[in-house]
Amino acid sequence: QVQVEESGPGLVKPSETLSLACTVSGDSINSGAYYWTWIRQPAGKGLEWIGRALTTGGVNYNPSLKSRLTISLDTSKNQLSLKLSSVTAADTAVYYCARQTGVPEVRFDPWGQGILVTVSS
Amino acid sequence: QTVVTQEPSLTVSPGGTVTLTCASSTGAVTSGYYPNWFQQKPGQAPRTLIYSTDYRHSWTPARFSGSLLGGKAALTLSDAQPEDEADYYCLLHYGGSHPWVFGGGTKLTVL
Repeated sequence: QVQVEESGPGLVKPSETLSLACTVSGDSINSGAYYWTWIRQPAGKGLEWIGRALTTGGVNYNPSLKSRLTISLDTSKNQLSLKLSSVTAADTAVYYCARQTGVPEVRFDPWGQGILVTVSS
Repeated sequence: QTVVTQEPSLTVSPGGTVTLTCASSTGAVTSGYYPNWFQQKPGQAPRTLIYSTDYRHSWTPARFSGSLLGGKAALTLSDAQPEDEADYYCLLHYGGSHPWVFGGGTKLTVL
């Protein structure tokens, strides 16, 4: 059974770069054509799709974050990574990773438990 | 900018039926938007209830069903139970430069 778990610093200073990892267990991150996805949720607010990396290559980003965002796969570590630069308090959120399957049964499964990242000095 | 709209809040009586909807600012939602529905309870990560319009996840009770209704994606809950009280989010696929957009979520109260 595939599981994912987010990790990284829980506190980042304004203007710095937020770096998170999502470790995949139970299978190889590049077995099959999946989209490994980041999603976030500010406290008390809704979910926001951040971006994804495809196992066969390619990335897609939320246009509102694209200029600050890098998502990549590290197959040697079986990890998905996220780097968000020049963070502000608005980037404070719980960050989730999830695996998206391809057509025709497109679903997001599994999800990680999420990691709270606070941007504060 | 694409906007996905859900009812902010809904209330259903125990044993009752309620339909949550998910509309796109671009027009009618079709199966090609691969609507996904997620349930989130306080302090928990979201979990998938319905994917690709009407597929139930293995853990999704049969009282939840997904469909397309009047140009929107819909999640219908029949025989509502107290444990169904939660936030529900839909997610639609657009492709292109912004592949997926979440709705704002519906807070469902069972009362």
